[in-house]
Amino acid sequence: DVKVTQSSRYLVKRTGEKVFLECVQDMDHENMFWYRQDPGLGLRLIYFSYDVKMKEKGDIPEGYSVSREKKERFSLILESASTNQTSMYLCASSPPLPGQGLEQYFGPGTRLTVT
Amino acid sequence: GQSLEQPSEVTAVEGAIVQINCTYQTSGFYGLSWYQQHDGGAPTFLSYNALDGLEETGRFSSFLSRSDSYGYLLLQELQMKDSASYFCALDSNYQLIWGAGTKLIIKP
Repeated sequence: DVKVTQSSRYLVKRTGEKVFLECVQDMDHENMFWYRQDPGLGLRLIYFSYDVKMKEKGDIPEGYSVSREKKERFSLILESASTNQTSMYLCASSPPLPGQGLEQYFGPGTRLTVT
Repeated sequence: GQSLEQPSEVTAVEGAIVQINCTYQTSGFYGLSWYQQHDGGAPTFLSYNALDGLEETGRFSSFLSRSDSYGYLLLQELQMKDSASYFCALDSNYQLIWGAGTKLIIKP
């Protein structure tokens, strides 16, 4: 079974802190994604990566950065956390090719609260 | 740009059939996916339509009509465990464009 793991299920941070969210997948997938999910808004893409050291901005990249130094690991960084970044963060991975269903496999999510 | 619309909430009775609609606006895409998400859980893949028509997977079926910019997810013989949110998503060049989700409430 594909497994996507995230470093924390729940996280509480203070405004202005630098926050690291880690995601690891074990299926050798090329593509990895970071989303945030807020009630009524569905999943919004923050960043994605289709190869090691490659990254592309999604719909809402402001206030975030990412790092992909190894194929299996994709990190999301909040440079200076703010209260409006309180959300559920979901990591996903998928095989490489569009038009193949792009079935995305999700981690369990990290619920981040910024106070 | 690309966008998808689906109802925010649908209510149905256990054992019945329910259809969750998804309309979209896009300049091009490879296919339409459906995901299920239980409260507190992660989204899980249900189905994918690359071509127009109906795809059946057990109690779940999904339909796509590119000419109508429309798709739907059909759930038959509803069970209480089907209570969840359902998302349609466009497969668009390395990423998925997601709808806001439909919360399915099932009554006994």
